[in-house]
Amino acid sequence: QQQVKQSPQSLIVQKGGISIINCAYENTAFDYFPWYQQFPGKGPALLIAIRPDVSEKKEGRFTISFNKSAKQFSLHIMDSQPGDSATYFCAASGETSGSRLTFGEGTQLTVNP
Amino acid sequence: GAGVSQSPRYKVAKRGQDVALRCDPISGHVSLFWYQQALGQGPEFLTYFQNEAQLDKSGLPSDRFFAERPEGSVSTLKIQRTQQEDSAVYLCASRTSSGLTNSPLHFGNGTRLTVT
Repeated sequence: QQQVKQSPQSLIVQKGGISIINCAYENTAFDYFPWYQQFPGKGPALLIAIRPDVSEKKEGRFTISFNKSAKQFSLHIMDSQPGDSATYFCAASGETSGSRLTFGEGTQLTVNP
Repeated sequence: GAGVSQSPRYKVAKRGQDVALRCDPISGHVSLFWYQQALGQGPEFLTYFQNEAQLDKSGLPSDRFFAERPEGSVSTLKIQRTQQEDSAVYLCASRTSSGLTNSPLHFGNGTRLTVT
């Protein structure tokens, strides 16, 4: 059962543009929503995370928007750069799922120069 | 300091062989996780240790998969009688505390297992 659905599967953006990746979850017990960035041959690295008590969190060029009622959250990358080209995964976890993270299917982002 | 270290980086096994994958977590990290990542997919949870105790092994796909962390640091994931469907990247991750969300999860670069 896929508990976290991510879209789009792939995304191409021009340098300087905004990249937007969306995720939707089913389990209302989830209370922690991180985004991970993964480069080829590397493990995922935490980018930014949010809890449901806030609707937005910004760190540099990266912003998470969270809509608790819709059970959706999204990653916005402002001023996208070629170095941002990677695969991005949303994830979620909560007390009832123990300590495990449930990941989305991933979005392959390409930023053209 | 050093991150999570996994070895080998690549492993090729003939179908039916046993394999052992090693994970050296960040020193002092209490929690250790194994994930399986198929090509083009997100990581899927396999098992979780808090110190030497295996608290959750519900993600292990079959009884051919076994994980241990006898001294609460290094962990080994063993796969017996490998099958082609076991081909994937196996990721290890560790976290400083047992708290669910209070500390970030650090991933290693994984072991890519190919079963021929």
